[in-house]
Amino acid sequence: QTVVTQEPSFSVSPGGTVTLTCGLSSGSVSTSHYASWYQQTPGQAPRTLIYSTNSRSSGVPDRFSGSILGNKAALTITGAQADDESDYYCILYMGSGISVFGGGTKLTVL
Amino acid sequence: QVQLQESGPGLVKPPQTLSLTCTVSGGSISSGPYYWSWIRQPAGKGLEWIGRIYTSGSTNYNPSLKSRVSISLDTSKNQFSLKLDSVTAADTAVYYCARSNNDYGANAHDYWGRGTLVSVSS
Repeated sequence: QTVVTQEPSFSVSPGGTVTLTCGLSSGSVSTSHYASWYQQTPGQAPRTLIYSTNSRSSGVPDRFSGSILGNKAALTITGAQADDESDYYCILYMGSGISVFGGGTKLTVL
Repeated sequence: QVQLQESGPGLVKPPQTLSLTCTVSGGSISSGPYYWSWIRQPAGKGLEWIGRIYTSGSTNYNPSLKSRVSISLDTSKNQFSLKLDSVTAADTAVYYCARSNNDYGANAHDYWGRGTLVSVSS
């Protein structure tokens, strides 16, 4: 079974730029995987940031952007702020109606 | 504004069936290019996609849960439901319902419920 991989943790300085990635244990991520990215703070429901690789969800600041970098999907946060400190999850569409979440990345802003 | 609200027992005994309902307000569950999904999260762990149902009633399930899970629509009540059979402690989690817009590709979740904690314990 294919596993969706994410960095377990990452840190960024306030005002800095960070890129989180979402890969596959076997193969490359493409736009056909319709990568979506979610932000989650403790005790809260996930919030959709990005869908279909690079489309920003309504109300999401443009400092969040999605792309394909090499063989992975990527979420880039430009000008990181303190309240960006959250868990970030990606999900990939595997075909045949099936989707799989990555394990999540805990982002620290310090 | 579309809103989703999960409801159901907070405690289920093994090996009984976990049953949850998601009530949708602000829009019809039977119209539009929408998938209605269930996602869960054990305490301190990541998100797990459980499955989804389209407005037509067609379903897709996580292969690892497929033998135990069922998702259905109740258009008369504007609700969709999750049933998970033969539960064990490993099914203890916060369960979320969500809507995704198929016009924007798979997993374009635009609305989420707040989640409901279900504990499995005897």
